[in-house]
Amino acid sequence: KQEVTQIPAALSVPEGENLVLNCSFTDSAIYNLQWFRQDPGKGLTSLLLIQSSQREQTSGRLNASLDKSSGRSTLYIAASQPGDSATYLCAVSLSGNTGKLIFGQGTTLQVKP
Amino acid sequence: DADVTQTPRNRITKTGKRIMLECSQTKGHDRMYWYRQDPGLGLRLIYYSFDVKDINKGEISDGYSVSRQAQAKFSLSLESAIPNQTALYFCATSSQDSINTGELFFGEGSRLTVL
Repeated sequence: KQEVTQIPAALSVPEGENLVLNCSFTDSAIYNLQWFRQDPGKGLTSLLLIQSSQREQTSGRLNASLDKSSGRSTLYIAASQPGDSATYLCAVSLSGNTGKLIFGQGTTLQVKP
Repeated sequence: DADVTQTPRNRITKTGKRIMLECSQTKGHDRMYWYRQDPGLGLRLIYYSFDVKDINKGEISDGYSVSRQAQAKFSLSLESAIPNQTALYFCATSSQDSINTGELFFGEGSRLTVL
C-alpha cells in the first residue's frame, strides 16, 4: 500500500531564507507527484506537477525534484517571504494520470518577517 | 466567482441526520472527486467520477454516497451522519485533456461537524 510521509510537520524560518520541504513515498511505481499549497480556510492550490518521466519542475521561486528510485521528492523555496506561510502537501498518483491521489500529512511553514 | 464551488461551506448537524454536500464547477472538466481531510492527516479519496455515468469508490467510501447529476455537478451524501464523519470535505476536478492530466483543482472546502 502506497504511503506518503512529509517531515517535518512544522517549520519556522526567518524571511529570506532558502528552505527545503521533504516528501517520501513507499512505492516507486508512481505516475506523477504533485505539490499543493493550502491556506487556512481555503482549498488546495496546485503548485507543481512532476510526471514520472521528469526529474524536476520549476515555477518562479519554487523548484520541485523527483527521485523515484529513492522514493523522494523535495520542494525548494528560494528567498522565502511571509506570504509563503501555509501548509504544503505532496501527493502521488494512485494509478494513471488521474486525480486519484495519496496525500502526505503536510508541512506547515511559517516565515517570520 | 470560484471555478469550483462547494455548498454549504460550514454545516453543523446531529447524529443520524442526512446531509448533502454539493459541488459545481465551471472549468468544463470531465473528472470530479470528493476528498476528506482530518486534522494531522492528509486528504483521503471518498468517491470519484470520470464522466456523468461513471461512479467509483475511493479509499474511504463506507457511509457515503454520491451523485453526478451533470458534468458540472457532483454531490456527496451522508445518509446517516455519525461523529467520526466530522471533517473538512473537498471537491476537486481534473481534465483528461489537459497537458498536465491529473492536475487537480480544488474547491474551498465544506466543514462538517456531526454532534
